[in-house]
Amino acid sequence: AQKVTQAQTEISVVEKEDVTLDCVYETRDTTYYLFWYKQPPSGELVFLIRRNSFDEQNEISGRYSWNFQKSTSSFNFTITASQVVDSAVYFCAPQYRDDKIIFGKGTRLHILP
Amino acid sequence: EPEVTQTPSHQVTQMGQEVILRCVPISNHLYFYWYRQILGQKVEFLVSFYNNEISEKSEIFDDQFSVERPDGSNFTLKIRSTKLEDSAMYFCASSGGGDYGYTFGSGTRLTVV
Repeated sequence: AQKVTQAQTEISVVEKEDVTLDCVYETRDTTYYLFWYKQPPSGELVFLIRRNSFDEQNEISGRYSWNFQKSTSSFNFTITASQVVDSAVYFCAPQYRDDKIIFGKGTRLHILP
Repeated sequence: EPEVTQTPSHQVTQMGQEVILRCVPISNHLYFYWYRQILGQKVEFLVSFYNNEISEKSEIFDDQFSVERPDGSNFTLKIRSTKLEDSAMYFCASSGGGDYGYTFGSGTRLTVV
């Protein structure tokens, strides 16, 4: 079965530090999408990014950046200059072709003031 | 931006009662999904629905669960006889396939007492 691993269960950093959340996925497909979602304490799933497997360029959006390494099947997420509002659970989630999204177990991020 | 709408946002029901969770997917989307997240755990796939039928279901989606698209706009999840362990957040999602996005609703928190 295709799966995704988020090895870091919980991370705590002090505000303004940079933090990287790891994601490793398994796939036999050549075409897939990779998502990151944020789940704040209020519970909704907040879309952060979707990346097509053919697009290996790294992406930056404000304080967020993503490093996609197809050769190692990793799609890591970095928050620069973290803020308390970044505290949440973050899910990496591949989608294979037109199939369902599969969620990792998530990384709970605590940003300490 | 188009949204997936879920109602109610929170439902409390007695064990053994039937509940129907409602979702209005994005209008031109073709694929519909239900996911479940037990408190503190990962988001788990329940069922996918395409072309007016179930395309895939997980082991969780047993005979107690059913889905329906009764009127071409709503997409419902019915739990026939709720158990305590059905208490969870239920997310609906819809997708247009390919590059047409994958959008989650804000969830229905179901509490079975």
